[in-house]
Amino acid sequence: GQNIDQPTEMTATEGAIVQINCTYQTSGFNGLFWYQQHAGEAPTFLSYNVLDGLEEKGRFSSFLSRSKGYSYLLLKELQMKDSASYLCAVSRSQFRDYKLSFGAGTTVTVRA
Amino acid sequence: DARVTQTPRHKVTEMGQEVTMRCQPILGHNTVFWYRQTMMQGLELLAYFRNRAPLDDSGMPKDRFSAEMPDATLATLKIQPSEPRDSAVYFCASGIGDTEAFFGQGTRLTVV
Repeated sequence: GQNIDQPTEMTATEGAIVQINCTYQTSGFNGLFWYQQHAGEAPTFLSYNVLDGLEEKGRFSSFLSRSKGYSYLLLKELQMKDSASYLCAVSRSQFRDYKLSFGAGTTVTVRA
Repeated sequence: DARVTQTPRHKVTEMGQEVTMRCQPILGHNTVFWYRQTMMQGLELLAYFRNRAPLDDSGMPKDRFSAEMPDATLATLKIQPSEPRDSAVYFCASGIGDTEAFFGQGTRLTVV
């Protein structure tokens, strides 16, 4: 199995930066995904990290350290519409088994 | 505009009744996931298929749940008999191999 840990809630001010950390323990690690989920809606894909390092995509960046079992999602220039739950998800493959498992999510509230 | 389509969007049923949820994955995607989301448990993986073959359904209560892919354009999740504790949002997601999963809008199930 795998353990995926991320903070439950974070609050930040419009225009600020927020970093959401995710730690995981798993065997057969493939890569790490970040998804955004607004209340009442489906999760939508944000980023995918396979190799160590930082992936930047506009206002959002994601970092991965495979050796440390650690990732973070960085949200810059926060906007009100960024208020949502952010889900860390780990993909693993072992033999023919492939799984995409999610953390509990971090609810980010952006205040004016 | 390719998307995962789930039906019905909402379902209210009485305890003991059979419930069938349907999913049309994105054309060309060979991996299909079924997830259940509740406030308490977050997103739980119930089952997944690759090339229509069930690879893992260990997250699914086998005595009442069943998942099938009768063809490449249809995945089904059945609950028989349904119980109040099955009330949740059920998401279907599809993808290609180990890349990101695209989620449908979900079926909100209420069992009374």
